[in-house]
Amino acid sequence: GEDVEQSLFLSVREGDSSVINCTYTDSSSTYLYWYKQEPGAGLQLLTYIFSNMDMKQDQRLTVLLNKKDKHLSLRIADTQTGDSAIYFCAEIKSGTASKLTFGTGTRLQVTL
Amino acid sequence: EAQVTQNPRYLITVTGKKLTVTCSQNMNHEYMSWYRQDPGLGLRQIYYSMNVEVTDKGDVPEGYKVSRKEKRNFPLILESPSPNQTSLYFCASSLSGGSYNSPLHFGNGTRLTVT
Repeated sequence: GEDVEQSLFLSVREGDSSVINCTYTDSSSTYLYWYKQEPGAGLQLLTYIFSNMDMKQDQRLTVLLNKKDKHLSLRIADTQTGDSAIYFCAEIKSGTASKLTFGTGTRLQVTL
Repeated sequence: EAQVTQNPRYLITVTGKKLTVTCSQNMNHEYMSWYRQDPGLGLRQIYYSMNVEVTDKGDVPEGYKVSRKEKRNFPLILESPSPNQTSLYFCASSLSGGSYNSPLHFGNGTRLTVT
């Protein structure tokens, strides 16, 4: 399809790992991104991955990329209440002059 | 402090009454963009601007206008608002586009309700 798709909601217990999934559309996308939106605020870039990489780790965050299936995931280790937010994946489609296409967003709820 | 400032944060208006949402950035960014966020639809781009006096349509431009007379400002204009434009609007800017070395900086959003 044309849309970048994500599941709408994920609930995890504090201290557990969270895995947020995304299916993107353009197999020639060069960069893929994760943005975080905290309540009442705009989006902030969390991390990104080049399309020639399978995995990228950044402290508690691990990004996995499966180009064959056009599947991107974000794993948050030791999830904290401060991680509660909406997470958006985004891609830059080829030939779009750096235009980001965002996914539908996944709301992560962290419970005690 | 580097930031993107949108005003107002909240706006309630009636159908057909022209309104403008302002956006200003203090980072000397060339690229600016407007998005609307709706439940289950994520962020959709309305208009963007690669530089002063250069604007282009995004994915959902109908019913909106923009202008880029100065580098720092990128107002969003609704000439005749309709209820289907009720949404949360975000302005964003970056050095150039939205790539990893030029990430988007977002404002805090404007929640618009059109009755």
